[in-house]
Amino acid sequence: AQSVSQHNHHVILSEAASLELGCNYSYGGTVNLFWYVQYPGQHLQLLLKYFSGDPLVKGIKGFEAEFIKSKFSFNLRKPSVQWSDTAEYFCAVNGAGGGNKLTFGTGTQLKVEL
Amino acid sequence: DSGVTQTPKHLITATGQRVTLRCSPRSGDLSVYWYQQSLDQGLQFLIQYYNGEERAKGNILERFSAQQFPDLHSELNLSSLELGDSALYFCASSSNTGRTDTQYFGPGTRLTVL
Repeated sequence: AQSVSQHNHHVILSEAASLELGCNYSYGGTVNLFWYVQYPGQHLQLLLKYFSGDPLVKGIKGFEAEFIKSKFSFNLRKPSVQWSDTAEYFCAVNGAGGGNKLTFGTGTQLKVEL
Repeated sequence: DSGVTQTPKHLITATGQRVTLRCSPRSGDLSVYWYQQSLDQGLQFLIQYYNGEERAKGNILERFSAQQFPDLHSELNLSSLELGDSALYFCASSSNTGRTDTQYFGPGTRLTVL
């Protein structure tokens, strides 16, 4: 069965600091990887996704993620965070044999301080 | 706004009761997914419907059932409710059943069982 680990549960950063949120998945086959964001009181929104090709994926709002197959990782990055990035971030995966259901990590709560 | 609507927004009920949660997918989307988000289990896939037929099943209890109607809206029925069923229930939709299809999430229904 596929699973996703997000090791950072709570992250606090100052504005303009760089961000990296870890995501590791366990699945031996072909996977599709996603990062979703949930702003306070809002629905889950897709930040970016990786299916194939260039392992460095760029998403909305200046976010990017790098797929490293050998490390089973898909870490989310942003060079300079803003207060408006305060939200909960979820890594998700779907893999062959699992249909297109998403398996989510436990989420990382990011707080950006002014 | 993702285009996915869910009603009601909040639901408070007692143990042993039965409730129905409703989801309308984005215009043109054929697949509907239900997810449960709780503090102890995180975000978990429950069930998927595609064009009226059940497509995939996750960790859905036997007390729970769902269906998708000809107009493509979906309902999740929860019966014999227990305290542990208190959670946020999300609906998502996608255009088809492809693993690369983006799932768009609704705002969720917060269920509180007293």
